[in-house]
Amino acid sequence: DVVMTQSPLSLPVTLGQPASISCRSNQSLVDSDGGAYLNWFQRRPGQSPRRLIYKVSNRDSGVPDRFSGSGSGTDFTLKISRVEAEDVGVYYCMQGTHSLTFGGGTKVEIK
Amino acid sequence: QVQLQESGPRLVKPSETLSLSCTVSGGSITSYYWNWIRLTPEKGLEWIGYVFSSGSTNYNPSLRSRVAISVDTSKKYFSLKLSSVTAADTAVYYCARASCCGAKMGFDFWGQGTQVTVSS
Repeated sequence: DVVMTQSPLSLPVTLGQPASISCRSNQSLVDSDGGAYLNWFQRRPGQSPRRLIYKVSNRDSGVPDRFSGSGSGTDFTLKISRVEAEDVGVYYCMQGTHSLTFGGGTKVEIK
Repeated sequence: QVQLQESGPRLVKPSETLSLSCTVSGGSITSYYWNWIRLTPEKGLEWIGYVFSSGSTNYNPSLRSRVAISVDTSKKYFSLKLSSVTAADTAVYYCARASCCGAKMGFDFWGQGTQVTVSS
């Protein structure tokens, strides 16, 4: 089974400051087509999850450009360039290369 | 705008079968992957499985022996059955759509979620 490990578990951030979340897999996420199926989701309090990023670095329509994804192989990162109040919530990475599994989540809160 | 709405019993007894449906509106049900995902405080998000509009399915290996997902394209809904439930199956259950590639790129539309509790 592919295990996705996120860090940190909790991320207190000052408004306007950057934030970074790490996601690591215990196997390479490079698929037979050469792509890596690593996606990021945001779950705001009281809301359903929402996809932010798919296939490592592709932002979904309507997602602010302060969100960016990067990485390769087994190490991936979600960055928020300047945290806003609406970014509070839990962030999950999800791999789709070997079945589908989620990371445990990172809770972003405002200091 | 595609909308998904879960429905079904909120309380299920241990050893019985959990049954949920998800109604699709605002868009086509054909040529998409229709998924069930659950959220628990202990395990976070867990993908349960999907049914493609053709009826083909793919399940989480850890749940495969207890799961069945089906689709009715004429009525625009799909369903989840999870048998032999225990307290560990207590969760918020979401239905969600995937547009591509066996859900490899995740889910672009989600339902609001429904809390299901397993208890006698």
